Amino acid sequence: DQQVKQNSPSLSVQEGRISILNCDYTNSMFDYFLWYKKYPAEGPTFLISISSIKDKNEDGRFTVFLNKSAKHLSLHIVPSQPGDSAVYFCAASTASGTYKYIFGTGTRLKVLA
Amino acid sequence: GAGVSQSPRYKVTKRGQDVTLRCDPISSHATLYWYQQALGQGPEFLTYFNYEAQPDKSGLPSDRFSAERPEGSISTLTIQRTEQRDSAMYRCASSMTVNTEAFFGQGTRLTVV
Repeated sequence: DQQVKQNSPSLSVQEGRISILNCDYTNSMFDYFLWYKKYPAEGPTFLISISSIKDKNEDGRFTVFLNKSAKHLSLHIVPSQPGDSAVYFCAASTASGTYKYIFGTGTRLKVLA
Repeated sequence: GAGVSQSPRYKVTKRGQDVTLRCDPISSHATLYWYQQALGQGPEFLTYFNYEAQPDKSGLPSDRFSAERPEGSISTLTIQRTEQRDSAMYRCASSMTVNTEAFFGQGTRLTVV
């Protein structure tokens, strides 16, 4: 049972445009969400996070939106740059319990110059 | 250290042999995670440590898998009597405390032949 789902395995966006990566989750106990970016041959690197008490968190070109009622989060990258081309994973955890992060399967973003 | 370091980067072993993977976390980090990542999938939780305590090992797929962190810093993941299905990327991550962003190492790619 996939508790964190990234239904789009890949996405192509023109440089300068907005990239929107989506993530859905099923466990209503999740209250902390993260996005990781992964380049080939490297480990995932932390990008941005959001707590369930917020519905938006912004860091430069990256904004994460959380819709708790829909159990949906999204990562917006504006403007997209070729260096943003990578695999993006969303992850979720609960503040209580085991603290383990549950990851989605990833979305490969390609930003076209 | 400056980042999470894992060794070896690559390991090829024969079926039935035991292997031990090592993780050296960021020195100030209390929490250490082990993940298994199959090709095309997101990292899947195996176990985590809070200092030397191991509160959750629910993700370990069988009793052939064990992990240690005896002094609350370096950790090892041991797989006994390896099987071909154990072939995967094994990722270690550490975080300052539980439920803060985790920083990943580059991983150990294990191939069981």
